[in-house]
Amino acid sequence: QVQLQESGPGLVKPSETLSLTCTVSGGSISSYYWSWIRQAPGKGLEWIGYIYHSGRANYNPSLKSRVTMSVDTSKSQFSLRLSSVTAADTAVYYCARGVVLWSGEPHLQYMDVWGKGTTVTVSS
Amino acid sequence: EIVLTQSPGTLSLFPGERATLSCRASQSVSISYLAWYQQKPGQAPRLLIYGASSRATGIPDRFSGSASGTDFTLTISRLEPEDFAVYYCHQSRSSPFSFGQGTKVGIK
Repeated sequence: QVQLQESGPGLVKPSETLSLTCTVSGGSISSYYWSWIRQAPGKGLEWIGYIYHSGRANYNPSLKSRVTMSVDTSKSQFSLRLSSVTAADTAVYYCARGVVLWSGEPHLQYMDVWGKGTTVTVSS
Repeated sequence: EIVLTQSPGTLSLFPGERATLSCRASQSVSISYLAWYQQKPGQAPRLLIYGASSRATGIPDRFSGSASGTDFTLTISRLEPEDFAVYYCHQSRSSPFSFGQGTKVGIK
């Protein structure tokens, strides 16, 4: 059974870079999309972006200038970096697996497995 | 950008009652790319429905999804105590992917 586990610092200072890693266990990292989603306290879900196992990525335009995602298939891990953070980036960050629907090209259809989430607080 | 608007914001029902949750898209969304998630306090979202009407693995058949144009509906036929939660619709056809703001199903 596939499991995802987020890891990284729970506290980041303003203007610094948030770095999180998601480790995939019990299944292959290939042939799937891998997403990051966040949820600010008391708020709804916000899609941050995804990365394909090949390394192709797509980011939310609202965060695009600050986001970088990467994937390490040898370690079954994918990562998120969010630069120049502010208090508005305080949230629970989730990683999730995206199932592919082939329609001429691979497209992320839905996210079927999620990590438990990790809380990141931006504060000095 | 596709905006998903969920209604109502809050639904107060008794166990055993039927729940009908709505999600309206601001523009066309292929049914293949519309999903519903359930989230309980302190937990990650859980996939319920994908492709607008297909139940995910292990999801009871009291959960069903349907679509009509840009309107999508999640129906819970008879609410069980464990069904009281927040429900989100989500589209992954057009970037940026988007979620509805959520519907909270609470116990009356």
